[in-house]
Amino acid sequence: DVKVTQSSRYLVKRTGEKVFLECVQDMDHENMFWYRQDPGLGLRLIYFSYDVKMKEKGDIPEGYSVSREKKERFSLILESASTNQTSMYLCASSSTFGGLNTIYFGEGSWLTVV
Amino acid sequence: AQSVAQPEDQVNVAEGNPLTVKCTYSVSGNPYLFWYVQYPNRGLQFLLKYITGDNLVKGSYGFEAEFNKSQTSFHLKKPSALVSDSALYFCAVRDGGWGKLQFGAGTQVVVTP
Repeated sequence: DVKVTQSSRYLVKRTGEKVFLECVQDMDHENMFWYRQDPGLGLRLIYFSYDVKMKEKGDIPEGYSVSREKKERFSLILESASTNQTSMYLCASSSTFGGLNTIYFGEGSWLTVV
Repeated sequence: AQSVAQPEDQVNVAEGNPLTVKCTYSVSGNPYLFWYVQYPNRGLQFLLKYITGDNLVKGSYGFEAEFNKSQTSFHLKKPSALVSDSALYFCAVRDGGWGKLQFGAGTQVVVTP
């Protein structure tokens, strides 16, 4: 089974803090994603990466950055956290080859910015 | 851009009754459609997908979905709902390369005993 692990399930941070959300996948997937989930809005794509050191903006990249130094790890960075970034963050991965890109999700990280 | 819509915020059904969760899509080209389920405080779990071929797709936990090209719909169905099916269901469509998905807003399913 594919396993996508998000290191922190629940975080509380102060406004202005720098926040790191870490994600690791164990299936050698090429593609990794960070989504944000808010009630009534579904999931919105923040950033994705299709290879090491490669990244592309999604639909709502403002206020976020990402890092992918190793194939299995994809980090989401909030440079200066704000209260409107309080949300559930979901990391996901998929393979480019076979399975036509079924995306597998981690358990999510609940971030509260106070 | 590709998009999906889930017209119902919530669906209520009695245990043992049929369950249907609606999804319509808007795409250019052939649609690649997905259903995911999310249990409370958990990530999303893949249920099923339509790529091509048979319009009736079978997935996990007894769920199936019917692709209807003329109505641009991809409704999720289960013949007999269980209380444990109570969860948030998301429809999604592949958007461009690299397997990106565009998600609907989600439909909360409540199954009562």
